[in-house]
Amino acid sequence: GESVGLHLPTLSVQEGDNSIINCAYSNSASDYFIWYKQESGKGPQFIIDIRSNMDKRQGQRVTVLLNKTVKHLSLQIAATQPGDSAVYFCAETGQGAQKLVFGQGTRLTINP
Amino acid sequence: DSGVTQTPKHLITATGQRVTLRCSPRSGDLSVYWYQQSLDQGLQFLIQYYNGEERAKGNILERFSAQQFPDLHSELNLSSLELGDSALYFCASSVGPGKMNTEAFFGQGTRLTVV
Repeated sequence: GESVGLHLPTLSVQEGDNSIINCAYSNSASDYFIWYKQESGKGPQFIIDIRSNMDKRQGQRVTVLLNKTVKHLSLQIAATQPGDSAVYFCAETGQGAQKLVFGQGTRLTINP
Repeated sequence: DSGVTQTPKHLITATGQRVTLRCSPRSGDLSVYWYQQSLDQGLQFLIQYYNGEERAKGNILERFSAQQFPDLHSELNLSSLELGDSALYFCASSVGPGKMNTEAFFGQGTRLTVV
């Protein structure tokens, strides 16, 4: 069945360091992947997305890598800042995009 | 501000009761999605409406129902509430039925506590 899981539930990094958040998915039919950031008390906020025909996409301070061979997705955040502290979710959707399947989430904590 | 409005922000009710959660999508968005989030769990898809019609259903309990009105706002009805229904309920909206992607925006959520 469909499942999107995260390797680590928590991640602590020093301010200024790079963060890498990982995600595994099991639905090989998924063709669109998204990373969301959820701050305390708020709804998920779109960060970056990638289609299955790509293996890398860069945004502002963020990079998403997709490895379809091992069904693995990662989010890299460069030079993490205190404002990056949040729970990060990966999500995937298939053709038709009727719904997003979300992973468990990783809580990222930035240490000063 | 995503432009998606959910009310109320917080709701406390007793077991066995019924509540209604409301969602106003972003201006111009025709699709509304409902998600449930328990503690620090992932978001579980409940149901999707497009222009008033149900388009997709997830793991929504029979005690739960939803509808989308002509003005495109949506309501999620939860009845015979149980302690395990305590969760955050999110609404998201997008332009079209198949655009649960960059065009999708989430509201702030309604925190439901069943006591």
